[in-house]
Amino acid sequence: GENVEQHPSTLSVQEGDSAVIKCTYSDSASNYFPWYKQELGKGPQLIIDIRSNVGEKKDQRIAVTLNKTAKHFSLHITETQPEDSAVYFCAASISPGGTSYGKLTFGQGTILTVHP
Amino acid sequence: NAGVTQTPKFQVLKTGQSMTLQCAQDMNHEYMSWYRQDPGMGLRLIHYSVGAGITDQGEVPNGYNVSRSTTEDFPLRLLSAAPSQTSVYFCASSYFYRGLGGELFFGEGSRLTVL
Repeated sequence: GENVEQHPSTLSVQEGDSAVIKCTYSDSASNYFPWYKQELGKGPQLIIDIRSNVGEKKDQRIAVTLNKTAKHFSLHITETQPEDSAVYFCAASISPGGTSYGKLTFGQGTILTVHP
Repeated sequence: NAGVTQTPKFQVLKTGQSMTLQCAQDMNHEYMSWYRQDPGMGLRLIHYSVGAGITDQGEVPNGYNVSRSTTEDFPLRLLSAAPSQTSVYFCASSYFYRGLGGELFFGEGSRLTVL
């Protein structure tokens, strides 16, 4: 099955700095790559996603890049703010022939701390 | 708009006891799933369902049962609780996008401790 590796496990930055979280996946059939943010005591929430026919996607201060050849994708947060502090998860989905829903495989998570 | 509702939020069990974690969604989503979250291991899929009467196993199904009698509800049953099942459990739902996946909406989690 799919295997998703996420690094780093913890990341500490100063307010205003950029943060980058990287993930690699194992199955070249994966074609959907979402990122989820989990605040303390809550369930994860989708913040951005990218599909395999796109190399980069931006949404205000966050962006995701995808390199299908190398099988890795990254989350970039610019101008970080204390409210960005949370656990971030990457995920990958395998779509078997387009006939059924791909099961999301999650990375191990990154604890991001933004210091004021 | 409630979204995905999980009950209970906290539960303590003794080894060998059984219990059911409840999950309900009011978004008319076809797809529902259960994940467990353990430190350093991310979220691992236990069971999922793509519609009423249809369930399938995920990555870590042993020790858990599910059923889907209605679109709204997807309970997770622990048959005989073990300390290894101590975890935080999340229910998630989504529209059923064939082949490409879609946004998962998560509940707030159920923290289970097995002594």
